[in-house]
Amino acid sequence: QVQLQESGPGLVKPSQTLSLTCTLSGDSLSGRSFYWAWIRQPPGKELQWIGNVYYTGRTYYNPSLTSRVTMSVDTSNNQFSLKLTSVTAADTAVYYCARIVVVPSATLTRYIDSWGQGTLVTVSS
Amino acid sequence: AIQMTQSPSSLSASVGDRVTITCRASQVIRNDLGWYQHKPGKAPKLLIYATSTLQSGVPSRFSGSGSGTAFTLTISDLQPEDFATYFCLQDYSNPMTFGQGTKVEIK
Repeated sequence: QVQLQESGPGLVKPSQTLSLTCTLSGDSLSGRSFYWAWIRQPPGKELQWIGNVYYTGRTYYNPSLTSRVTMSVDTSNNQFSLKLTSVTAADTAVYYCARIVVVPSATLTRYIDSWGQGTLVTVSS
Repeated sequence: AIQMTQSPSSLSASVGDRVTITCRASQVIRNDLGWYQHKPGKAPKLLIYATSTLQSGVPSRFSGSGSGTAFTLTISDLQPEDFATYFCLQDYSNPMTFGQGTKVEIK
């Protein structure tokens, strides 16, 4: 059974860098049919797609965050990570890591089949 | 980015009721839509993908329909374990975007 677990500081100071790691168990990060995503939900707001990374290191970032986001993979430790720079209070949110399944087909079906439980990151001095 | 408008934001229902939740996309997204269930403190759970394909292990009382810009999640015969928040996710184009969520509460 695939499990994803987020880890990292729960409190980050404004202007600093938020760093989170997601550890995968029960499967390999190197699966060719999967992308690995970060998603967040600020208090009282809807979910927001931050971006995703492939096992090769290829990334896609949400255009609204692309100037501050970096994602990477560590296949030897079965982990992937998120860095978000220059954080403000608006970055306070529950951060989730997730696995995207890609089904090769004429329409390239994608869906998230596994999520972590989420970790609350608060930006405050 | 494609905007997903989900309604209602909350609803009250009784065990055994039939419940319908709707998501509308700001542009055509073919059938590239999934539905998820989320309970507090837990990981969200995939219910349906590609509009109407039931994820393995999900009870058949959950069903999805729609195409183009309008999509529906139906829960027939609501069970006590179904009280949760439900949200949609479009995967037609990047960035993927979510509905605002619907909280299903006990009447």
